[in-house]
Amino acid sequence: ETGVTQTPRHLVMGMTNKKSLKCEQHLGHNAMYWYKQSAKKPLELMFVYSLEERVENNSVPSRFSPECPNSSHLFLHLHTLQPEDSALYLCASSLGASGQETQYFGPGTRLLVL
Amino acid sequence: QKEVEQNSGPLSVPEGAIASLNCTYSDRVSQSFFWYRQYSGKSPELIMSIYSNGDKEDGRFTAQLNKASQYVSLLIRDSQPSDSATYLCAVNHSFQKLVFGTGTRLLVSP
Repeated sequence: ETGVTQTPRHLVMGMTNKKSLKCEQHLGHNAMYWYKQSAKKPLELMFVYSLEERVENNSVPSRFSPECPNSSHLFLHLHTLQPEDSALYLCASSLGASGQETQYFGPGTRLLVL
Repeated sequence: QKEVEQNSGPLSVPEGAIASLNCTYSDRVSQSFFWYRQYSGKSPELIMSIYSNGDKEDGRFTAQLNKASQYVSLLIRDSQPSDSATYLCAVNHSFQKLVFGTGTRLLVSP
């Protein structure tokens, strides 16, 4: 396991449920990311936070709501999801957010929306 | 045109052979390039990073970068069955985000 942890590891939810994904990094990094990984598609960047400020939002539907209370924790709040949102959700962190630093990934949350 | 392109594979090589994984990218001003390995059901882990033209070696792995041709590759010498995984190429985009390819699946047969 890396210095980035994610909970839960697996999640099954109905379309009317509300749930949250949690990510914590123990690396002293200043940037954190949420990615979505679907089968046969490249990793899709969803959100980037640098020093707790959101610096990028890649036109993600509003049913996904991120929260970064401090530089070590990142949440992804989910509500009224669709079946096509089923995927592996990966959290990552890096020292900075310039894109040149190595990103370290957590183990991911595998989400199934019924 | 995709921002980062990789052949999805699978690339099949026998144990002990050299595996060659290729990646092309569209953004000419990209400066940072990464290779990640992802085992089935696991998250990506960094194998190599490269920033300058030429070769960079780390153990059995060699990354090669040619910015003029917008091409980056990963060579794995003495391939082992444990190297069987999907290899993701990631490129620093000019808008300061990291863009990933779809990955190449490598199969090393004993």
